[in-house]
Amino acid sequence: GDSVTQMEGPVTLSEEAFLTINCTYTATGYPSLFWYVQYPGEGLQLLLKATKADDKGSNKGFEATYRKETTSFHLEKGSVQVSDSAVYFCALNSGGYQKVTFGTGTKLQVIP
Amino acid sequence: GAVVSQHPSRVICKSGTSVKIECRSLDFQATTMFWYRQFPKQSLMLMATSNEGSKATYEQGVEKDKFLINHASLTLSTLTVTSAHPEDSSFYICSARDGGNPYEQYFGPGTRLTVT
Repeated sequence: GDSVTQMEGPVTLSEEAFLTINCTYTATGYPSLFWYVQYPGEGLQLLLKATKADDKGSNKGFEATYRKETTSFHLEKGSVQVSDSAVYFCALNSGGYQKVTFGTGTKLQVIP
Repeated sequence: GAVVSQHPSRVICKSGTSVKIECRSLDFQATTMFWYRQFPKQSLMLMATSNEGSKATYEQGVEKDKFLINHASLTLSTLTVTSAHPEDSSFYICSARDGGNPYEQYFGPGTRLTVT
């Protein structure tokens, strides 16, 4: 079945540091890939997505590229801010009406 | 963009009582809604898939008689936790799929349930 593997956290970075959160997946067919963000006490927000190989999703300075050859969708940001502190979930959807499969989440803490 | 609301955002109830949580799609029709449960510091666990006008499909290990789901309209699904116990305390999140864009789910803000 489908699965998503994320690097374990927490990840602690200083403000303006470079961020990478690794995500790899196993899926049938050609899934759509997502990164969701959850701020403390809140629900999930879609951060970015990519629907086919080599697509790059981007939003709020975050980027992730759909790499079919390595089955990866790593999240990156060049310069993190304290306000980026949250839990980040990598997820996939194998086909329009299939359920979304989530990774375990990676907590990011950015310190001033 | 598509908005999903949940009500209430927080609820505290006594053990043995039932609690109903509503999930609404505000600006689109959702033929399918999903209910997730999130334990502290853990990922989301899909509990059930709710289809408008039909019975919900529950994931393995989820008690359908305890977690009653009703999807009576294209914009509303409800989750009722019956005879709640402290171990049911959790963060419950719903999501809705826009029938016109099936690859995306839109998530509600979540409901924090505390059973005392």
